[in-house]
Order: sequence, then C-alpha cells, then structure tokens
Amino acid sequence: ETGVTQSPTHLIKTRGQQVTLRCSSQSGHNTVSWYQQALGQGPQFIFQYYREEENGRGNFPPRFSGLQFPNYSSELNVNALELDDSALYLCASSLAGQGNTIYFGEGSWLTVV
Amino acid sequence: QKEVEQDPGPLSVPEGAIVSLNCTYSNSAFQYFMWYRQYSRKGPELLMYTYSSGNKEDGRFTAQVDKSSKYISLFIRDSQPSDSATYLCAQTGGTGTASKLTFGTGTRLQVTL
Repeated sequence: ETGVTQSPTHLIKTRGQQVTLRCSSQSGHNTVSWYQQALGQGPQFIFQYYREEENGRGNFPPRFSGLQFPNYSSELNVNALELDDSALYLCASSLAGQGNTIYFGEGSWLTVV
Repeated sequence: QKEVEQDPGPLSVPEGAIVSLNCTYSNSAFQYFMWYRQYSRKGPELLMYTYSSGNKEDGRFTAQVDKSSKYISLFIRDSQPSDSATYLCAQTGGTGTASKLTFGTGTRLQVTL
C-alpha cells in the first residue's frame, strides 16, 4: 500500500465528453504527478503540481488540465475525449526535493467509446 | 530515439533462475534510476532506486547502473512465480521540474513452475 488513492477505478465515457479523475496523495507528500499508460506501454508524464500550481508538463494538449488543492489532493480533467484517450491514468505523489521516491496509486481505467 | 529503451519481452524463465532485465538511456543529465514492478491491471510499485552509478542490493534484487554505456540492469535471484509481472525502468532528475519520470516500455516476465 502506497497511501496514494485514486477514484474512480473504472469508467466508460463517450467520445466528446469530459472526465474528472481524483487522487489523494500519500500523507506528507506535497507534489502530485499524473501519468497516462496506454496498453503495452510505459507511463507517459502528463503534468506535475506543487503548491497548487502546475510545475512541469509533458507532451499533452491543453484539453488535459489539472488542479491541486491545499490538502495536496489533485484532479485530472480531460475535455473533448478522443478514442485514443483510453488508457490507465496514474497519479503519483512525492515530496519536493525527493523525486527519487515517487509512489503510484492503482490508477483509473478510462475507456472512451 | 526514445529517452529510455527497454526490451518488451515477454521473458519466460523457470522458477529459481536468475533474471536479468535491462534498459538503455540517452539523457546523461538525469542520474536517478528506478525499477518499478507492475502486476496486471495494477499501479507500478517502486522496487528500487539508484543514484548515479554502481550497484544496490535489496534481498533477491540487485540494481546496477553503468554510466559509461548508459545501461541499467535489474537482477532477480531465485526467481519465484510471484515475480511474474511487468518490470518498468525509469529515469529522473530527482528534483524540481526534473523530477518527472521517463519510463521504458516495460518487460513482461513470466516465471514458470
């Protein structure tokens, strides 16, 4: 158990819809990152949040957005869903300055039909 | 060229065998290297991390970094069926915006009885 919890675990959306995924970081961790993992691939970095601000972004379009709250929990929002957005979305938490110990939640499986 | 390259396997070994899993990386600036284990339909679990070069041992697992050849390895001694999973190597700068993880595609390992 990493202490990183994500919800929902599974969901199905229709192309064009919007989705919000949620994450609670491990106690004491102030940095949250989101990753997308397509089937058979390694996780790809979407963005990172620290002190409620985006602190680095991967190669993902603006329709992928996020929030971090004062309690360090976080949300990932994806607008205008496309079929290729079907993937496992992983939340990872760490303590700023200790990026060598990054812990993942179990992920949210998103299927876009 | 991908920043972190990993043979996707699958790799099948008999129980008790020594397993060698390998990755190559291209970015010499980032010196933290991690190995994650991912069971089917679960989030990645941090196994080990190493900084810069050298070896690190933890029970049946040994992580090794060779900076001269940009090669990272994970050895599993006395492999068990419970080791059957996908193993992901990752690289990070460790701090600040550089703490994002860059993953390989993962190697699927099957340990047979």
